[in-house]
Amino acid sequence: AQKITQTQPGMFVQEKEAVTLDCTYDTSDQSYGLFWYKQPSSGEMIFLIYQGSYDEQNATEGRYSLNFQKARKSANLVISASQLGDSAMYFCAMREEYSSASKIIFGSGTRLSIRP
Amino acid sequence: SAVISQKPSRDICQRGTSLTIQCQVDSQVTMMFWYRQQPGQSLTLIATANQGSEATYESGFVIDKFPISRPNLTFSTLTVSNMSPEDSSIYLCSASDHRDGQETQYFGPGTRLLVL
Repeated sequence: AQKITQTQPGMFVQEKEAVTLDCTYDTSDQSYGLFWYKQPSSGEMIFLIYQGSYDEQNATEGRYSLNFQKARKSANLVISASQLGDSAMYFCAMREEYSSASKIIFGSGTRLSIRP
Repeated sequence: SAVISQKPSRDICQRGTSLTIQCQVDSQVTMMFWYRQQPGQSLTLIATANQGSEATYESGFVIDKFPISRPNLTFSTLTVSNMSPEDSSIYLCSASDHRDGQETQYFGPGTRLLVL
């Protein structure tokens, strides 16, 4: 069974600093995908970044990058130059297999607060 | 990216009644899913909505309580039946999309349900 662990329930970061949100996962599958989502107070789930287990390079999307360490089964999200608008809940998620038929399982989330 | 809309956006319902939530995607997608997010919690998958066949339910969720329809590749409904206050949650529709070699999964804005 797959499992996602986010050990940081909450984080406070000064504006313009970089922040790393931790995520570890457990799966017996060799093929899987990892996702990060942002959920602001409005409640919408915003897709941020995706990393496939066979992707050789770490995924990047603008200020977001995914520090993928396959041997350690970690997929940390790095946000560079944080902004006040980055304050939100962040969820790490995993889907086994390169197939849309598989379900996504979510971690418990990290609440990120950016201080001005 | 796929754009997903849900109706209603929120509702207040009486105990014992049922509510049907609609989910519309602006393009044909292979997989659609329904999630529940209880207050202060992460997302929990209720079921996978299969086009042309019965939905696949996760452990703890049953068809009698959460009947799901998916008549085509762009539309699905979730009914919350015989509601109790414990059903007060955000219900989110999600769809998988595979474009340009990238797997993504998008979410609708959610339906906030309060059961009195």
